[in-house]
Amino acid sequence: DSGVTQTPKHLITATGQRVTLRCSPRSGDLSVYWYQQSLDQGLQFLIQYYNGEERAKGNILERFSAQQFPDLHSELNLSSLELGDSALYFCASSLRGGLSNEQFFGPGTRLTVL
Amino acid sequence: SQQGEEDPQALSIQEGENATMNCSYKTSINNLQWYRQNSGRGLVHLILIRSNEREKHSGRLRVTLDTSKKSSSLLITASRAADTASYFCATDNGGSQGNLIFGKGTKLSVKP
Repeated sequence: DSGVTQTPKHLITATGQRVTLRCSPRSGDLSVYWYQQSLDQGLQFLIQYYNGEERAKGNILERFSAQQFPDLHSELNLSSLELGDSALYFCASSLRGGLSNEQFFGPGTRLTVL
Repeated sequence: SQQGEEDPQALSIQEGENATMNCSYKTSINNLQWYRQNSGRGLVHLILIRSNEREKHSGRLRVTLDTSKKSSSLLITASRAADTASYFCATDNGGSQGNLIFGKGTKLSVKP
């Protein structure tokens, strides 16, 4: 158990809908990262937050947004969902947000868009 | 885009044998990490090697890094059935942020 929790575990929804994925980092970790894992694209970095502020942005679509709250939990919002958004979404956390930080991954949320 | 590429894509060995996986990357890096993922589950950090290190050990794991060739290898000695998983290398992109860039992974199957 990494100490990172993600809810829900599974999510099935329809195209055009909007969903929110939630992540609680390990106790004491200030940085949260979101990754998407799909069969064709592999593991892709989406976005990073550090102590409530956006730190880095990767291949995140404009239809997706995220935030980190004062209690350090984070939410990833996915809107106008398309079939291609079906994937595993992982949250990871680290103590700080810089280099040489081991990242602890949550169990993931499996999103299926029908 | 992918930074690292693991080789081979799949590896099948018998218990007790050694498993070697390779990773190549494209840009300069500050460090390289290896992660393990059991089927459909979260990733588990295995080891981190800094760009100024050439070799690192952790239990049955041995990682090497050759920055001149932009490559790394992960050796698992005396493999066990429980080592069956996908193994990913991950790098930073040489910048100051901590986000990781993953390869596509090597799927290791260890037969009892």
